[in-house]
Formats: sequence, C-alpha cells, structure tokens
Amino acid sequence: RKEVEQDPGPFNVPEGATVAFNCTYSNSASQSFFWYRQDCRKEPKLLMSVYSSGNEDGRFTAQLNRASQYISLLIRDSKLSDSATYLCVVNNAGNMLTFGGGTRLMVKP
Amino acid sequence: GAGVSQSPSNKVTEKGKDVELRCDPISGHTALYWYRQSLGQGLEFLIYFQGNSAPDKSGLPSDRFSAERTGGSVSTLTIQRTQQEDSAVYLCASSLSHRAYEQYFGPGTRLTVT
Repeated sequence: RKEVEQDPGPFNVPEGATVAFNCTYSNSASQSFFWYRQDCRKEPKLLMSVYSSGNEDGRFTAQLNRASQYISLLIRDSKLSDSATYLCVVNNAGNMLTFGGGTRLMVKP
Repeated sequence: GAGVSQSPSNKVTEKGKDVELRCDPISGHTALYWYRQSLGQGLEFLIYFQGNSAPDKSGLPSDRFSAERTGGSVSTLTIQRTQQEDSAVYLCASSLSHRAYEQYFGPGTRLTVT
C-alpha cells in the first residue's frame, strides 16, 4: 500500500463547477500536510498547507481529518487555469516530504 | 530572485553510459532534495542534503546512483551504467531548513536512456 494515496482522475469538470479531491495517508504519526500543484511538464509548486481546523485561500479550501487519516481539497468556481495535477503531500518527520501520485483536473469551457 | 536551476534540461544517453545531473539551489537554502518522476507517476524521493551532508540516502534505488553537494550549494547526481528504467525526469528542490514543507523545485532534467 502506498503511503499517500490519491485517485489519479482525470476529473473533467465545466468552468464554474465545484470539485473536491481526496487523499489518504497510512502513517498515523504524520505531522503536517500540504497540497502542491503541478502543471503539465512543469515543476510542482506549493499550493497550500492543510490544518485540522481547515484552511481557506480564495476559492480553495483544504481540510484534514486526523482520525480518518484523510485530506481533502475543494475548489469552487473552477477556472480553466485550475487545470493541473494536484499532489497531496505528507511530512512525517524532519525535512522529508512524501508525495502522492497526484490527481489530474481538467476544467473545460 | 533566481530560482532553482538544473542542467542539462534534456539528456539522451546510451545504456551503460554514466550521466551527471546538476542542481543549483536558491541562494541561502541549506536543504536540497533530489526526486525522480517517471511518466504519469508521482515524485519518488531519492536523497536529501542538509548543508553538505546527506542524512537520508534511503531513496537511492541502487548503488549505481550517488550524489554529492559541495560548498553547501551546487549538487550533482551521478548515475553510473545507466539502464532504460532510469529514464525519468529528475527534479531538484531546495528549501530553508525550518520551512522544509515549502520546497522550491527546479525545472528538472529529462533523462532518456536508449
């Protein structure tokens, strides 16, 4: 079983739609959690951190459920420019980040 | 300011040859990471440097892979006797020590072993 699991998608949604991605992690001792975004043939970039209390940044909301070892990302009012692969990332200890395989989102006009 | 740079951007090599990939991190970033990403796959951790030392080499897939970092800056990843399964994009990232979650990635080196 992979340490960080994501549905690879693709999720095909129309502009303006709300879409949610989920991620599960296997290590109950994991300490911190993040979403990165990777555009096609580009490098990953940090999108946002994920806190137990929830974290909102504009149209993006991230949630963490430690009991279920589950992380989510909600995108409201999808834009064409949101089309990318979204990587769920877990920090277990120190400087180590473990990346999920990513969920691909395609927003269509 | 300048971001993470990597060279070469693309490398095609014959099976059995050695290759050397270079990473130049953001100035002041003491932590440096190497990952590889195969087509359609997630990022696979290879090695991490704090300064010039590598406290975690657990991700190196075989003894054909080695990496070094000198002067707390530039790092090189060397793959000896390349195999076709080594074909991937090799990504380097750097971060401040106390903000390891915020890694800045370079554009990667696309390695193709023929």
